[in-house]
Amino acid sequence: QQPVQSPQAVILREGEDAVINCSSSKALYSVHWYRQKHGEAPVFLMILLKGGEQKGHDKISASFNEKKQQSSLYLTASQLSYSGTYFCGTLRGGKLIFGQGTELSVKP
Amino acid sequence: NAGVTQTPKFRILKIGQSMTLQCAQDMNHNYMYWYRQDPGMGLKLIYYSVGAGITDKGEVPNGYNVSRSTTEDFPLRLELAAPSQTSVYFCASSYGRTGRGETNEKLFFGSGTQLSVL
Repeated sequence: QQPVQSPQAVILREGEDAVINCSSSKALYSVHWYRQKHGEAPVFLMILLKGGEQKGHDKISASFNEKKQQSSLYLTASQLSYSGTYFCGTLRGGKLIFGQGTELSVKP
Repeated sequence: NAGVTQTPKFRILKIGQSMTLQCAQDMNHNYMYWYRQDPGMGLKLIYYSVGAGITDKGEVPNGYNVSRSTTEDFPLRLELAAPSQTSVYFCASSYGRTGRGETNEKLFFGSGTQLSVL
């Protein structure tokens, strides 16, 4: 069963903030985040390995709430380059299963 | 630094034809994956491998076969191609070091193969 992402799509103006959520009905041991630009392969952003862990990458950060079985990706002061589809991934018996994706569009 | 190499980049098949999508990585990664991505949709796992000689089904394995005879190569075979297999196929690999029995290493993706079945 794949993780569920919300929202499905979001439109921002440059400089605005956004939050993308990823939740699972089953226990999470780790959460992966990837970004895919149109026509390209997904690119790794970060992995969170344990509950309570938070990581940052430039102005993109994420948190992992193991008890609530969810993770959130925070995009701060968005830039045009942040546009793309964001995927979270979770592990199921060694398989990395992705959510359906959240399409983020940043407008000037 | 080649990373993950997929061939071909584009292919058109007729219904009922067969073909093999090639994937090779030069990073000595243990784990390899095949995903498909339909237009505007997410990534669905077809098959994966945790090492040479070991493969297992993912979410959507029907109509596909894989083999892993070497660490470097993980080809995906389509038998009797159908229009429903029109998609972009991505191969990925990771080192596969685990914690609590799960991989905690990032995936490196190939550039993809766009396949159309007409």
